[in-house]
Amino acid sequence: DQQVKQNSPSLSVQEGRISILNCDYTNSMFDYFLWYKKYPAEGPTFLISISSIKDKNEDGRFTVFLNKSAKHLSLHIVPSQPGDSAVYFCAASADMEYGNKLVFGAGTILRVKS
Amino acid sequence: GAVVSQHPSRVICKSGTSVKIECRSLDFQATTMFWYRQFPKQSLMLMATSNEGSKATYEQGVEKDKFLINHASLTLSTLTVTSAHPEDSSFYICSAGRPQHFGDGTRLSIL
Repeated sequence: DQQVKQNSPSLSVQEGRISILNCDYTNSMFDYFLWYKKYPAEGPTFLISISSIKDKNEDGRFTVFLNKSAKHLSLHIVPSQPGDSAVYFCAASADMEYGNKLVFGAGTILRVKS
Repeated sequence: GAVVSQHPSRVICKSGTSVKIECRSLDFQATTMFWYRQFPKQSLMLMATSNEGSKATYEQGVEKDKFLINHASLTLSTLTVTSAHPEDSSFYICSAGRPQHFGDGTRLSIL
């Protein structure tokens, strides 16, 4: 049972345009959501997070939106740069239930073309 | 800079060997660390939660006698893959902190 789903295996975007990565979850107990970026043979790098009490969090070029009623979150990268090309993982946590354990989505490969 | 350090980055060894992987939190204390495994083109799967001063909590389907975890200090957790076999070959990653920061992973190849 996949509790965190990233339904798009890959996304291709032109440099300078917006990249939108989507993530859906099923467990209503999740209250903390994170996005990670990963290059091959490296560990994931934390990008941005959002608590369930918010619906938007911004950090530079990265913005995460959370729609609790739809159990959906998205990561917007604008403007996209070639260096953003990587695998992006969405992760969720329910502290009370999982004690900071993260449940990861399957990842989306982002390719930014120059 | 890196806040979680993992060592070694790569191990190649013969079947039957036991392999120890270290995970250190560099500038903070971590009462809890997490160990993940990633198969090619798949997501990260949590194997176990390492708890300082007490037993690790293993996820369903993970053999605790196969994957020994020790969290002896607030900055160090170790994962030992005992009597490793080719099917144990994988990418092992640890994490700690909130938000969780990850080490660079260990590529384990068992011949």
